[in-house]
Amino acid sequence: SQQGEEDPQALSIQEGENATMNCSYKTSINNLQWYRQNSGRGLVHLILIRSNEREKHSGRLRVTLDTSKKSSSLLITASRAADTASYFCAKRETSGSRLTFGEGTQLTVNP
Amino acid sequence: GAVVSQHPSRVICKSGTSVKIECRSLDFQATTMFWYRQFPKQSLMLMATSNEGSKATYEQGVEKDKFLINHASLTLSTLTVTSAHPEDSSFYICSARDYGSGSTDTQYFGPGTRLTVL
Repeated sequence: SQQGEEDPQALSIQEGENATMNCSYKTSINNLQWYRQNSGRGLVHLILIRSNEREKHSGRLRVTLDTSKKSSSLLITASRAADTASYFCAKRETSGSRLTFGEGTQLTVNP
Repeated sequence: GAVVSQHPSRVICKSGTSVKIECRSLDFQATTMFWYRQFPKQSLMLMATSNEGSKATYEQGVEKDKFLINHASLTLSTLTVTSAHPEDSSFYICSARDYGSGSTDTQYFGPGTRLTVL
């Protein structure tokens, strides 16, 4: 399967709370990327973490990578209603140029 | 940042007709473009990798004669869904890598094309 696994599949929180999404993968990676997709729209690149990195920050986003467990997490702090979207992790395999996507987490932030 | 456009954004066609979708990199040259398909509430599935000046590389299970890809220039790739059927109805998204940027892993996505086959 192309897809890694993401959990949870759906997450509903209140505005101001933090949201954590997890992504696991099976093969070796060069890097792992997180994307956001609003309903029926294209993808927006959020953050990239390389295989030799453990943590990266970008504004309210924090991404961690644990290559020993083959997993990554995306934390959105102080969530806003506008953060409501689907979030996907995508892995760049070391063996080629393919970028393959996880199943995604549908985040709903209630005002 | 770099922009990738797709045309059309939405198309409705009759079963049996062919539909062409264009993907353009607007301010960078893309030697490699990717075509993805996304069904409702599902993830993006890579269909094929389009290489400028050579044949596309298709993922397992994707029919190359059904989904024709042409990457004739460094800024344009086209996907033609031939003899479309209702099961081909989906959201098609293209993506392009900008090797000219500081990061060789910068990949930009188009806004997608919604195909509905009646």
